[in-house]
Amino acid sequence: GAVVSQHPSRVICKSGTSVKIECRSLDFQATTMFWYRQFPKKSLMLMATSNEGSKATYEQGVEKDKFLINHASLTLSTLTVTSAHPEDSSFYICSAEAQGRTEAFFGQGTRLTVV
Amino acid sequence: AQSVAQPEDQVNVAEGNPLTVKCTYSVSGNPYLFWYVQYPNRGLQFLLKYITGDNLVKGSYGFEAEFNKSQTSFHLKKPSALVSDSALYFCAVYGQNFVFGPGTRLSVLP
Repeated sequence: GAVVSQHPSRVICKSGTSVKIECRSLDFQATTMFWYRQFPKKSLMLMATSNEGSKATYEQGVEKDKFLINHASLTLSTLTVTSAHPEDSSFYICSAEAQGRTEAFFGQGTRLTVV
Repeated sequence: AQSVAQPEDQVNVAEGNPLTVKCTYSVSGNPYLFWYVQYPNRGLQFLLKYITGDNLVKGSYGFEAEFNKSQTSFHLKKPSALVSDSALYFCAVYGQNFVFGPGTRLSVLP
């Protein structure tokens, strides 16, 4: 149990376009979802925390107008990279927590390449 | 503030030998500690966690970790390494959110 599905796994987009990444909890209700970014050969960097039905909390240095996060339901959170640029190319990973559990479940990740 | 350190960027071990991947942490209160593994171009996979109870925690794929409160450490271990264990390993501490260590790349040589 506790499967998190992230889609797409890979996406290539042109500079200036927007890309949406979906994160779904398939068999549990995720009260909280997290979005991470991973740079090559580096650890995960938390971008933002989203709670269902409320605005996301962004970490310092993360542009909330560029990385739009929507957590509209207990099973779905989306990250939209707006007006993407090559420096946004990265590996993005979501994780979801179920209420009352301290274990996060991670999606498969999305490799974004902006050309 | 929470923090996690993994002092080794890279660990090399011969197949069949025991392996240890080190992790130390800093957190106020009782720590919730985790180990995750990441294979190339894939998300993180949960290995094991410590919340309370026995200091030696057993997890997936034959891995175990020992919680040492006095040394604030949570080292990952396996008695006999496999080539397929080669991956990136992350230690994490959970408070208000997950804080990950920088990762240690494990290479198991045949």
